[in-house]
Amino acid sequence: GENVEQHPSTLSVQEGDSAVIKCTYSDSASNYFPWYKQELGKRPQLIIDIRSNVGEKKDQRIAVTLNKTAKHFSLHITETQPEDSAVYFCAASIPGSGGGADGLTFGKGTHLIIQP
Amino acid sequence: EAGVAQSPRYKIIEKRQSVAFWCNPISGHATLYWYQQILGQGPKLLIQFQNNGVVDDSQLPKDRFSAERLKGVDSTLKIQPAKLEDSAVYLCASSLYSWDGYQETQYFGPGTRLLVL
Repeated sequence: GENVEQHPSTLSVQEGDSAVIKCTYSDSASNYFPWYKQELGKRPQLIIDIRSNVGEKKDQRIAVTLNKTAKHFSLHITETQPEDSAVYFCAASIPGSGGGADGLTFGKGTHLIIQP
Repeated sequence: EAGVAQSPRYKIIEKRQSVAFWCNPISGHATLYWYQQILGQGPKLLIQFQNNGVVDDSQLPKDRFSAERLKGVDSTLKIQPAKLEDSAVYLCASSLYSWDGYQETQYFGPGTRLLVL
């Protein structure tokens, strides 16, 4: 089955600087790659996602890039703010064998700490 | 739009006891998922339903876990008997059906935090 590796496990950056989190996946059939933000004791919330037919997607301070050849994708957060502090998870999904799409395989998470 | 609802929010039981969790997905969402999130890890898919049918339960420990989605709406996840290692947050998520093979956005419920003593 699919395996998703995520690095680093902890990332500390100064407020206003950029943060980059990287993930690799194993199944070349994966075609959907979301990023979720999870604050302590809260539910995961989607912040951005990308399909395999797109190389890059941006939403204000957040961007995701995808390299299908290398099977890796990255989350970029610019001008970091204190409220960006949370755990971020990458995930991947493959098309279902009988139609539809399979559930998500998640990475282990990155604890992003924004230093004031 | 109402989100995914789950209950109870917290549960403490002793090992070998049984427990059940309930999930109500977003209205109109045909696909429902149960994930297990152990502290410090990412969510792990346990089971996926398409309407009231099981699509994937390959990671569900079937000797002790069971799940159903009668009538294709609400779902229950049961553990019987519980083990210490079942302590985790159980997250329910739902999404629209994927017609083009690309996963639709999954929306998560608040989760049920289970502690097995």
